[in-house]
Amino acid sequence: GNSVTQMEGPVTLSEEAFLTINCTYTATGYPSLFWYVQYPGEGLQLLLKATKADDKGSNKGFEATYRKETTSFHLEKGSVQVSDSAVYFCALFNQAGTALIFGKGTTLSVSS
Amino acid sequence: NAGVTQTPKFRILKIGQSMTLQCTQDMNHNYMYWYRQDPGMGLKLIYYSVGAGITDKGEVPNGYNVSRSTTEDFPLRLELAAPSQTSVYFCASSLLAGGPDEQYFGPGTRLTVT
Repeated sequence: GNSVTQMEGPVTLSEEAFLTINCTYTATGYPSLFWYVQYPGEGLQLLLKATKADDKGSNKGFEATYRKETTSFHLEKGSVQVSDSAVYFCALFNQAGTALIFGKGTTLSVSS
Repeated sequence: NAGVTQTPKFRILKIGQSMTLQCTQDMNHNYMYWYRQDPGMGLKLIYYSVGAGITDKGEVPNGYNVSRSTTEDFPLRLELAAPSQTSVYFCASSLLAGGPDEQYFGPGTRLTVT
């Protein structure tokens, strides 16, 4: 079946550090891949997405590249800010499915 | 444009009580979803709807019911609350059935059953 595996958190970084959050997936066919972010006390918001192999999604300094050969969609940011502290969810949508399949989420905490 | 709104924000129920979680979207989206989020876990799909009058089960539907009488509203009903239903509930909507289409989430309802 379809599944998403994210690196365990929490991830604790100092401001301006480099961020990588790993995400790998299992799916049939060619799923669309997403990163959602959840700020404290809020619902999820779409951060970025990619719909086919080698696509790069980017937003607010975050990037992720759809790697079909490694079934991965790792999230990166070159210089994190305190305001990036949140929970990050990797997700996929398979056209044969009905809704998003989420990973467990990775908590990021950035200190100044 | 309020997006997806949910009420209430918080609720404490006793075992066996019933309640309805409300969800409304003003984006004229066809698809609506209910998820639950347990601590340290990703979101699990409870029910979804592809349009008014059409609903279907997701991954974890037991103990819940839904209806979709209008495009805007998608209430979730808990008939006999159990401690296992303690969770945060998110409603979401999308114009299309996923693929490249974004899902828009409400702020969530935190439910405790004791």
